[in-house]
Amino acid sequence: DSGVTQTPKHLITATGQRVTLRCSPRSGDLSVYWYQQSLDQGLQFLIHYYNGEERAKGNILERFSAQQFPDLHSELNLSSLELGDSALYFCASSVTGQLSGEKLFFGSGTQLSVL
Amino acid sequence: TQLLEQSPQFLSIQEGENLTVYCNSSSVFSSLQWYRQEPGEGPVLLVTVVTGGEVKKLKRLTFQFGDARKDSSLHITAAQPGDTGLYLCAGGDSWGKLQFGAGTQVVVTP
Repeated sequence: DSGVTQTPKHLITATGQRVTLRCSPRSGDLSVYWYQQSLDQGLQFLIHYYNGEERAKGNILERFSAQQFPDLHSELNLSSLELGDSALYFCASSVTGQLSGEKLFFGSGTQLSVL
Repeated sequence: TQLLEQSPQFLSIQEGENLTVYCNSSSVFSSLQWYRQEPGEGPVLLVTVVTGGEVKKLKRLTFQFGDARKDSSLHITAAQPGDTGLYLCAGGDSWGKLQFGAGTQVVVTP
């Protein structure tokens, strides 16, 4: 158990809908990262939050948004869903997010299926 | 487009054999990490290498970081079925942006 909690574990929805994925980092970790994993694209970095502020952005679509709340949990919002958004979404946390090579702890992921 | 290229994509070997997987990039990384991911789970960190030419050993696993800090290899000696998994390398080139390779799927059969 990494200590990172993601909910829900599975999500099935239809095209055009909006969903929210939730992540609770390990106790004491200030940084939260979101990744998307699909068979053809591998593990793609989406966004990184540190202590409530956005720190780095990766290949995140404009239809997607995220935030980190004062209690440090994070939510990833996916809207106007398309079939191609079907993937495994991972959240990871680290202590500071400031050190190169700092260990990331990953949750078990949310499997999103868009039908 | 993957900044980190991993090879091979898939490797199937018998228990007791050795294997090597590679991670290459045209970019220089300040650090490189190796993770292993099992089905239904998130990646778990195995090792971090930060110095060019660095070699780290973790039981039967040997990790090497290239002198120019652009490439890395993972060697497993006497592989066991428990080594089965997706091996991912990840490069950190700036704060907050850790990029992953596509991974090498390793299958070790008894």
